[in-house]
Amino acid sequence: DTAVSQTPKYLVTQMGNDKSIKCEQNLGHDTMYWYKQDSKKFLKIMFSYNNKELIINETVPNRFSPKSPDKAHLNLHINSLELGDSAVYFCASSQVLRSLPTEAFFGQGTRLTVV
Amino acid sequence: GNSVTQMEGPVTLSEEAFLTINCTYTATGYPSLFWYVQYPGEGLQLLLKATKADDKGSNKGFEATYRKETTSFHLEKGSVQVSDSAVYFCALSDDKIIFGKGTRLHILP
Repeated sequence: DTAVSQTPKYLVTQMGNDKSIKCEQNLGHDTMYWYKQDSKKFLKIMFSYNNKELIINETVPNRFSPKSPDKAHLNLHINSLELGDSAVYFCASSQVLRSLPTEAFFGQGTRLTVV
Repeated sequence: GNSVTQMEGPVTLSEEAFLTINCTYTATGYPSLFWYVQYPGEGLQLLLKATKADDKGSNKGFEATYRKETTSFHLEKGSVQVSDSAVYFCALSDDKIIFGKGTRLHILP
């Protein structure tokens, strides 16, 4: 009964390929996120969805396309993978209280390695 | 824009030493403040939080007080253990959740 689960945990792929990472939360939260963590552990928000609607889209290349089929799922599709896309990608979710997000719950991460 | 600044690591301490990891923030509103911990190979876990000025968050012997006058939320623990070795992130919640750059903590037995 994992709260936020993402698959796969590890992903090794060649440059130029297209890949997807899936995320599901069973917490009943309205808001879901994708974060990218680089080799120095710096966490940068990529996208945020609230009730299937995109609300935050940071300066991310348009090769990255999030999709939220329902509020419990937020998938990340990456086209034409590049070496610089290698990182750990975290999915997270939070509730919204008085229009502000409460604490975020994180998945275990997907370590993407582009070779 | 909003931001979080925390002390750079790595921080190396001996077991039972006193720990302080500094965190300051910049925000236009009245954000909630958090400390998260990331153990090797895992995702981030909420360690503690404070939602308004002068609130003190505490968990597992760690404490942090929301200081509006100094815009700070420093993490402290009186006696660290080897099992506390991890990366610690300060974060704030305004219209989104923003993280500091993380501080790696090594505790030596």
